[in-house]
Amino acid sequence: SQQGEEDPQALSIQEGENATMNCSYKTSINNLQWYRQNSGRGLVHLILIRSNEREKHSGRLRVTLDTSKKSSSLLITASRAADTASYFCATVPNTGGFKTIFGAGTRLFVKA
Amino acid sequence: DAGVIQSPRHEVTEMGQEVTLRCKPISGHNSLFWYRQTMMRGLELLIYFNNNVPIDDSGMPEDRFSAKMPNASFSTLKIQPSEPRDSAVYFCASSTGTGTYNEQFFGPGTRLTVL
Repeated sequence: SQQGEEDPQALSIQEGENATMNCSYKTSINNLQWYRQNSGRGLVHLILIRSNEREKHSGRLRVTLDTSKKSSSLLITASRAADTASYFCATVPNTGGFKTIFGAGTRLFVKA
Repeated sequence: DAGVIQSPRHEVTEMGQEVTLRCKPISGHNSLFWYRQTMMRGLELLIYFNNNVPIDDSGMPEDRFSAKMPNASFSTLKIQPSEPRDSAVYFCASSTGTGTYNEQFFGPGTRLTVL
């Protein structure tokens, strides 16, 4: 399986609920990033967490990183219909290369 | 700033034809990435430039694919000859610094259909 796999593949929640998405990866990383993609659009960067950080907040977003488990989670609190999109984690392996590897994404649907 | 600009937004061509996709990165960004997105394979990095120099092209699928960056404000991705399996959305992204340690700004993509 590829570096950076999201779980679940799809998530459907009611507006106002929290949404949690998880990402697992295989190799040591320099940083991990989360991106959002609305249907038919390019990806938009949400947040970057470095390998020496454990938690980061940005507005309604909370990202955690556990390098011992090689996993990260993205929490969106008080979700809105406008949060409906696909969410991707992206990792930069700490192998001296430059390749950013994106996971397959989680499709989030927030019902109004 | 207008963001990353890609053209065309949609391209429909016949198998065997040459296809050229274009990208204008954000002014001041010195890293540029070409990605391909399909349902089957997800988002794949094809090639990465830093200061107009190709740094990593290990994701370029075949010799039919080539990319150039003649200057800091323009890049092309060419497929010759095109095949139906090349049908995908191709994204260009740019970033500051080395690109891998900073956020990438994506263009709207070019949806390519090869008949």
